[in-house]
Amino acid sequence: DAGVTQTPRHEVAEKGQTIILKCEPVSGHNDLFWYRQTKIQGLELLSYFRSKSLMEDGGAFKDRFKAEMLNSSFSTLKIQPTEPKDSAVYLCASSSTGGAREQYFGPGTRLTVL
Amino acid sequence: GQQVQQSPASLVLQEGENAELQCNFSTSLNSMQWFYQRPGGSLVSLFYNPSGTKHSGRLTSTTVIKERRSSLHISSSQTTDSGTYLCALEHTNAYKVIFGKGTHLHVLP
Repeated sequence: DAGVTQTPRHEVAEKGQTIILKCEPVSGHNDLFWYRQTKIQGLELLSYFRSKSLMEDGGAFKDRFKAEMLNSSFSTLKIQPTEPKDSAVYLCASSSTGGAREQYFGPGTRLTVL
Repeated sequence: GQQVQQSPASLVLQEGENAELQCNFSTSLNSMQWFYQRPGGSLVSLFYNPSGTKHSGRLTSTTVIKERRSSLHISSSQTTDSGTYLCALEHTNAYKVIFGKGTHLHVLP
């Protein structure tokens, strides 16, 4: 089975641009998470989907960050407009809904906003 | 305050020494997960441990809910163990997953 895949692995954007990050969860997993990781803040939850329904939208990240899950095997995270402070690694993770809800992470997308 | 606290923040060992990493929490928990991360790398799951003790090779995870702590023990450390170890608490409100800041481990040859 393939693990969590994320594309692109690296993204460089100009301030004000719109960028879209993509994630494919582990096949059969119903829970999908988007995180942002920086050295200062560590890992912060951006969005959480259960069976394609948005359960958590990350509070402070609402205004310029929008995650969508159009089908059970694909999710996107849109940042619009980007700002230099958005430079970070964006990680996607998935888990099963019942039983052991162990999270499996993708390789991440390193975003640099100039 | 911070709901999940990891200690120590950093640790330097000589190869062969043992390490005990701690994760203390102040909120109710469904489970605790431990991850390993290389610099520039993604997170690799080490343990998903709601309670009790689990073993995997040289690694042991122990979660004691009543004492609000979880630990990761590394025995006979190797240079390849160097990296960051993160604990993540799955809240009883299962929508919330809270990560600690991590322990940065450096094992010297």
